[in-house]
Amino acid sequence: AQTVTQSQPEMSVQEAETVTLSCTYDTSESDYYLFWYKQPPSRQMILVIRQEAYKQQNATENRFSVNFQKAAKSFSLKISDSQLGDAAMYFCAYRSPPLGANSKLTFGKGITLSVRP
Amino acid sequence: DADVTQTPRNRITKTGKRIMLECSQTKGHDRMYWYRQDPGLGLRLIYYSFDVKDINKGEISDGYSVSRQAQAKFSLSLESAIPNQTALYFCATSDWRDRPTDTQYFGPGTRLTVL
Repeated sequence: AQTVTQSQPEMSVQEAETVTLSCTYDTSESDYYLFWYKQPPSRQMILVIRQEAYKQQNATENRFSVNFQKAAKSFSLKISDSQLGDAAMYFCAYRSPPLGANSKLTFGKGITLSVRP
Repeated sequence: DADVTQTPRNRITKTGKRIMLECSQTKGHDRMYWYRQDPGLGLRLIYYSFDVKDINKGEISDGYSVSRQAQAKFSLSLESAIPNQTALYFCATSDWRDRPTDTQYFGPGTRLTVL
């Protein structure tokens, strides 16, 4: 079974600085999909970014980018120019193909990010 | 953004009571999911449905049941609530046309407390 590990329970960053959140996963599959979700105090789970394992290029969404290291099974999230609104819990998630019984997301335990003004 | 709505948003109930959590979506997605979130455990899948006639158990389905009343509606029931079902419950949807990535989009969550 696939597992997702977020080993840092908490991190803190100064406003306008850059922070990297770590995620590793364990799988024997070669094709899969990775996601970062953000959960602010409002509880809403918001998709931040996604990465297809077959793509070598790292995904980028505005201030958010990933460092996808397939051989190392690592999928870290970099937040540039951190803003107060980035304060939230961040979850890394894994999904394997095909789109069937194995289509469920496996989540890490999350990391709480605080942003200092 | 109210594409995925959940009712109620908060609920307090007593042990042994039957309770239903409802999820509706206007995204036109065919796939729907129920997760629960516990502190320190991330989200875990309870049930999922790929269309109206398809219902599948997730990793923690014991004590729960679901009903897919229509493509847009997916309800989660606790037949006899117990305190360890106290959690935050999320409904999510995805679209088979978003292949192969099948990104899931979440509702706002229901905070359930069982006394």
